[in-house]
Amino acid sequence: NAGVTQTPKFRVLKTGQSMTLLCAQDMNHEYMYWYRQDPGMGLRLIHYSVGEGTTAKGEVPDGYNVSRLKKQNFLLGLESAAPSQTSVYFCASTDRIVGGYTFGSGTRLTVV
Amino acid sequence: AQSVTQPDIHITVSEGASLELRCNYSYGATPYLFWYVQSPGQGLQLLLKYFSGDTLVQGIKGFEAEFKRSQSSFNLRKPSVHWSDAAEYFCAVTYSGYSTLTFGKGTMLLVSP
Repeated sequence: NAGVTQTPKFRVLKTGQSMTLLCAQDMNHEYMYWYRQDPGMGLRLIHYSVGEGTTAKGEVPDGYNVSRLKKQNFLLGLESAAPSQTSVYFCASTDRIVGGYTFGSGTRLTVV
Repeated sequence: AQSVTQPDIHITVSEGASLELRCNYSYGATPYLFWYVQSPGQGLQLLLKYFSGDTLVQGIKGFEAEFKRSQSSFNLRKPSVHWSDAAEYFCAVTYSGYSTLTFGKGTMLLVSP
């Protein structure tokens, strides 16, 4: 049982480049989330999904897009990367909010 | 809006000493509360959670937390800290009808010999 898998684990981008981060879960969870973690800022919600085909904006959605075409996958896209998007990105999923999230191990992204 | 405050950015505790990490939440409704731990370079792992019933909840790795509605608090405790407990700890909250958790900014625990 892999849980929540994030790919890639590390990536360096040049300003203006685009990329997609993939989150895959094998627990049949309805809810999926993308957070970013920056020093002293805790975890901030970028986008989330409450089911296949749905997405919603979180606290810091600007510069990111998401898609949930399949229940098990939640993709986070950066269309034109900026240095301010240098961060560690975490995906999480759950089947019941009151049960808490299961997190992936993170993607460390550096934009130069 | 739901929010969580962790007043301590860093805490240093001697190995074998007791630990208490503070967490305060805002909002009037009954909260669902969580504590997560993050070791360096790792994802977050759920330590314990509270959503109803007994206000003292037990978690993994010997941790416990007490929900105090009168103080809007959910403090994490451990009677005797081990060096392997050094990590960052996050408190989180949600409420009935919400689809997301809101996290505090975290408390970094350092364990001295």
